[in-house]
Amino acid sequence: DQQVKQNSPSLSVQEGRISILNCDYTNSMFDYFLWYKKYPAEGPTFLISISSIKDKNEDGRFTVFLNKSAKHLSLHIVPSQPGDSAVYFCAASDEAGGTSYGKLTFGQGTILTVHP
Amino acid sequence: DTGVSQNPRHKITKRGQNVTFRCDPISEHNRLYWYRQTLGQGPEFLTYFQNEAQLEKSRLLSDRFSAERPKGSFSTLEIQRTEQGDSAMYLCASSIQGVYNSPLHFGNGTRLTVT
Repeated sequence: DQQVKQNSPSLSVQEGRISILNCDYTNSMFDYFLWYKKYPAEGPTFLISISSIKDKNEDGRFTVFLNKSAKHLSLHIVPSQPGDSAVYFCAASDEAGGTSYGKLTFGQGTILTVHP
Repeated sequence: DTGVSQNPRHKITKRGQNVTFRCDPISEHNRLYWYRQTLGQGPEFLTYFQNEAQLEKSRLLSDRFSAERPKGSFSTLEIQRTEQGDSAMYLCASSIQGVYNSPLHFGNGTRLTVT
């Protein structure tokens, strides 16, 4: 039972263009969502997060959008850079009211390749 | 902040042997988590500690798995009588409970191969 799904195993974009990574979830108890980036031979690195009370959060080139009614979130990277090439994981937490979100349910990941 | 440290980076063992992994979290972090990641999948939650107390264990954590965090500092994850299905990347992560929206910081993992 995959509660968090990333249906695109891979995405290829040109440098300078927008990258859009998608994630769907099924558990309506999830109230906090995160994106992690992972390079080969390294652990996942936190990128950006969003609470269920918001529909958008921005941090520099990265923006996360949340559509609660559709149980869908997306990560936009603008402009994309070759250094962004990595595996991106969507994750969700149902630790409602918690002050630390650590028990996460992850998607399968999307491999992003940004071509120069 | 030296990050989360995991040792060893790689472990190859024969089926039936016991293995132990170590995780040193970021020093001021009071929460420590263990995750497991298999090929083509995202990390899966195994268990977590707040200080020295183990607060939750996933159904994925069979009786052959045991984790400890003595004195609330480093943690060990032991797998007894390893099976080929235990082959995976074992990730440790830490965070600060009590700081709003404190994200998880992951180590680089221990890759276990059971032959």
